Amino acid sequence: TQLLEQSPQFLSIQEGENLTVYCNSSSVFSSLQWYRQEPGEGPVLLVTVVTGGEVKKLKRLTFQFGDARKDSSLHITAAQPGDTGLYLCAGARSNTGKLIFGQGTTLQVKP
Amino acid sequence: NAGVMQNPRHLVRRRGQEARLRCSPMKGHSHVYWYRQLPEEGLKFMVYLQKENIIDESGMPKERFSAEFPKEGPSILRIQQVVRGDSAAYFCASSPGMNTEAFFGQGTRLTVV
Repeated sequence: TQLLEQSPQFLSIQEGENLTVYCNSSSVFSSLQWYRQEPGEGPVLLVTVVTGGEVKKLKRLTFQFGDARKDSSLHITAAQPGDTGLYLCAGARSNTGKLIFGQGTTLQVKP
Repeated sequence: NAGVMQNPRHLVRRRGQEARLRCSPMKGHSHVYWYRQLPEEGLKFMVYLQKENIIDESGMPKERFSAEFPKEGPSILRIQQVVRGDSAAYFCASSPGMNTEAFFGQGTRLTVV
């Protein structure tokens, strides 16, 4: 059972285009984290969203947590080749410690 | 301020051998988590430990796998009698508390031949 569904799983776009990655669940999370992972490396934390409806911006990246804290999105404006990588969302539940990961979105940005 | 350190980065074992993966958490972090990742997949939770205690091992296979986080020294994930299906990247993460942000190491890539 996949508790967190990410879509799309693969995305190949041209430099300068915009894109959105979705992370959906039927479960409520106390917080949701977005990570970026490059081949051969560990996931690097990009952002944590905690409050329903919260929006956080990190340069060209905009993260949103759904009002019901069941879903999240990552929007990248004017994608660059350096954005290429695997993007992972991960949900946390109170008092459990562990993260539940989506299956990831592989993004390729062509110059 | 060193991050989460995992070693070895790459480990090759023959079927039936034992694999020991080590994880030193970030300074000040007493919570350690182990995850496994298969190619082009997300990470799957295995076990959550605090110093000398296993808090949640719901993701650990029932046999051959064990984990510890002693009072002194790194956390160890031990896989006995490895099989080809154990080949994967194993990641360790640490955090200062239960509901705080976790930071990942670079992983150990285990190949069973």
